[in-house]
Amino acid sequence: QVQLVESGGGVVQPGGSLRLSCAASGFTFSSYGMHWVRQAPGKGLEWVAFIRYDGSKKDYADSVKGRFTISRDNSKNTLYLQMNSLRAEDTAMYYCSKEDDSRSWYPRYFQHWGQGTLVTVSS
Amino acid sequence: EIVLTQSPATLSLSPGERATLSCRASQSVSSYLAWYQQKPGQAPRLLIYDASNRATGIPARFSGSGSGTDFTLIISSLEPEDFAVYYCQQRSNWPYSFGQGTKLEIK
Repeated sequence: QVQLVESGGGVVQPGGSLRLSCAASGFTFSSYGMHWVRQAPGKGLEWVAFIRYDGSKKDYADSVKGRFTISRDNSKNTLYLQMNSLRAEDTAMYYCSKEDDSRSWYPRYFQHWGQGTLVTVSS
Repeated sequence: EIVLTQSPATLSLSPGERATLSCRASQSVSSYLAWYQQKPGQAPRLLIYDASNRATGIPARFSGSGSGTDFTLIISSLEPEDFAVYYCQQRSNWPYSFGQGTKLEIK
């Protein structure tokens, strides 16, 4: 079965950096687009970033553009989110998500989700 | 940017009743809309995609309809496990926005 396991969250000071990882198993990772979605404590869902199945396209929310970088290593079945210049408003649970259809050229829906990794930005 | 507005913010109903949740887009998203369910402490779950298609394993009591700017999620007869927060989400245009959510609570 599909498994997505996030790691790398923690407490970081404003201006600091973190790298999140998402280890995928149970499906052909290299065939699916992947996303990061976050949820601030007690708040709704916010889409953060997308990467096409082959890595050829990346999209970001305006709130993270220029600070966050999404990447993937299809040989390791792993998705990453490099987060730099972190702000208090980046505090959230970060979920990685697998799309619902393989080899899609355009972003699709979020069919499978990990359990999330918590990022807290605080001094 | 497409803004999705969900209503009502909170819906109080009893098990066995019918729930009707609404999602309105600030501009047309065609049929590129999904619904997700989220329970406390859990990741969201995909219920409906492309406005009206049930995702794998989703019970038939969940149905979606609509196109363009107005969408509806209906739960025909509420089960105790259906009380949760529901989000709509569009993939028509960047950024791939979510609505603010509707909390479905037990009356």
